[in-house]
Amino acid sequence: GAGVSQSPRYKVAKRGQDVALRCDPISGHVSLFWYQQALGQGPEFLTYFQNEAQLDKSGLPSDRFFAERPEGSVSTLKIQRTQQEDSAVYLCASSLGAGAKTDTQYFGPGTRLTVL
Amino acid sequence: DQQVKQNSPSLSVQEGRISILNCDYTNSMFDYFLWYKKYPAEGPTFLISISSIKDKNEDGRFTVFLNKSAKHLSLHIVPSQPGDSAVYFCAALGSGAGSYQLTFGKGTKLSVIP
Repeated sequence: GAGVSQSPRYKVAKRGQDVALRCDPISGHVSLFWYQQALGQGPEFLTYFQNEAQLDKSGLPSDRFFAERPEGSVSTLKIQRTQQEDSAVYLCASSLGAGAKTDTQYFGPGTRLTVL
Repeated sequence: DQQVKQNSPSLSVQEGRISILNCDYTNSMFDYFLWYKKYPAEGPTFLISISSIKDKNEDGRFTVFLNKSAKHLSLHIVPSQPGDSAVYFCAALGSGAGSYQLTFGKGTKLSVIP
């Protein structure tokens, strides 16, 4: 079946612009995660949804970052007034269950955001 | 401060030989460890995992070893194949609140030479 998809794959924004990144998880997956991967680093956790509920946003770096999953399926990560330090690959992952360790997190290909 | 460390940025191995990728962690609350494999322009793909109650887990050509006292784990690939060339990330999960948050190392780029 289809995996996790993300769009756009590449986004270039001028500093100060708002951007919206979309994630389509695997159908039926309860859990959805967003991670940020800076150049040369491993992915870092941003936020976690269980269905439509955002249960953890402890990794969001500032209040310019906002995520939603209104119908418990597609999720959008929005970054307001982008800064150069926001340049990174944004990865979305989904898992079947409600966040158990043994639930494999399946990752999408990511959106590469470049802020000029 | 890096809680999961992969100290070798890159590794080259001849086809057919063993590849050993290493990972160290500092957080004693980590109790579940995973390896992910990543090809360019793709997301990380789950490879193999191990719970802290075990010291070894094997899946085909891939074996993960865990040494809890040393806070060290390793991934062995044998025999290595050119298709194994990728970046390998070590990741960890803790217990309690936020136990679904994967903490990743920086990755090791494996090149398998035909």
